[in-house]
Amino acid sequence: GQNIDQPTEMTATEGAIVQINCTYQTSGFNGLFWYQQHAGEAPTFLSYNVLDGLEEKGRFSSFLSRSKGYSYLLLKELQMKDSASYLCAVSRSGNTPLVFGKGTRLSVIA
Amino acid sequence: DADVTQTPRNRITKTGKRIMLECSQTKGHDRMYWYRQDPGLGLRLIYYSFDVKDINKGEISDGYSVSRQAQAKFSLSLESAIPNQTALYFCATSGRENTGELFFGEGSRLTVL
Repeated sequence: GQNIDQPTEMTATEGAIVQINCTYQTSGFNGLFWYQQHAGEAPTFLSYNVLDGLEEKGRFSSFLSRSKGYSYLLLKELQMKDSASYLCAVSRSGNTPLVFGKGTRLSVIA
Repeated sequence: DADVTQTPRNRITKTGKRIMLECSQTKGHDRMYWYRQDPGLGLRLIYYSFDVKDINKGEISDGYSVSRQAQAKFSLSLESAIPNQTALYFCATSGRENTGELFFGEGSRLTVL
């Protein structure tokens, strides 16, 4: 089966840095996505990693280690609007749907 | 206007009723998907279609059916709704690019009493 694990909930302080981890065990690997989802809204694309290493995009960065089956999303200079769920999803091949983790609900507090 | 449009956005119905959720897209994508989302369970795939003549079951297809009427339209039906089908439903599309990035509709909240 396909298994993607991420913490259920996290809390962090405004202005701080938070790291959300994702580990995966899937049959095939073609890349890893991170999506942001505010409550009651559609998920929106944050990042896509296919090669090992860190991809930086403004306040958000995403890291991938294919050999360890591990990724993390790093959020810097946290803002209240970053309170949302963050979904890790694995692409196993170009012809199979993404497999999603259950999501990590991040609460940013003052 | 949204690239992926779902109707209705909210629906309350009773057990045993037939319900159809519709999805249309203007992205020109071949691939379309239906997911449901429940608190604590994440996004779970119901059905997907890679072109008009292609229909595939996802991990939780029991109690659901789909119709791909055209490249731009993909409908989800609940033939006889039951309360545990109360959930937030998302339609999504993707292109043929190898990444598989999904573009989501705004969601349809269904309540079955």
